[in-house]
Amino acid sequence: GAVVSQHPSRVICKSGTSVKIECRSLDFQATTMFWYRQFPKQSLMLMATSNEGSKATYEQGVEKDKFLINHASLTLSTLTVTSAHPEDSSFYICSALGGASRASTDTQYFGPGTRLTVL
Amino acid sequence: AQSVTQLGSHVSVSEGALVLLRCNYSSSVPPYLFWYVQYPNQGLQLLLKYTSAATLVKGINGFEAEFKKSETSFHLTKPSAHMSDAAEYFCAVSTGTASKLTFGTGTRLQVTL
Repeated sequence: GAVVSQHPSRVICKSGTSVKIECRSLDFQATTMFWYRQFPKQSLMLMATSNEGSKATYEQGVEKDKFLINHASLTLSTLTVTSAHPEDSSFYICSALGGASRASTDTQYFGPGTRLTVL
Repeated sequence: AQSVTQLGSHVSVSEGALVLLRCNYSSSVPPYLFWYVQYPNQGLQLLLKYTSAATLVKGINGFEAEFKKSETSFHLTKPSAHMSDAAEYFCAVSTGTASKLTFGTGTRLQVTL
């Protein structure tokens, strides 16, 4: 139980294009999801907290107009990197906070990550 | 405010030896503490967590950690390392349910023959 998926696992795009990454909780409902960014050999940095049905809360220094987050349902959150540039290349990881039943409410369950490469 | 310090960015042990990965935390309220493991190009997998219950927490794959309030520590141990334990390990702290996690910088565990 408590499985989180991400799609795609890897994406390569040209500079200036937009890329959408999906994060799904497969066997539990998650009112809260988180988006992280991880640079090579570094720790995870929280980008934003996504709550179902409301606007995301962004961490300081994260451009909300560049990293659009939508949490339209209890099992799906999306991160869209708009007008991507090479410096946006990174490993993006989502997590879902357990809601009940299969998933503990005090634990974040992580997706497998999406590697974005912007040429 | 909360923070996590992981001492040692790289730890190397022999197969069968004791694994000890250190984590110290800072939190203005009683913390929730987590250890996650990350294999190359993958997401994070929860090893174990402390949420104000028993101070000695047992997790998956033979790992355990002890919460010591007086030392503000939550070190991760495993009696006997296995080659498959080689990975990056992250300690994290939150202030409670539905709270965001603050991660340490990670410790890369290498297991040698």
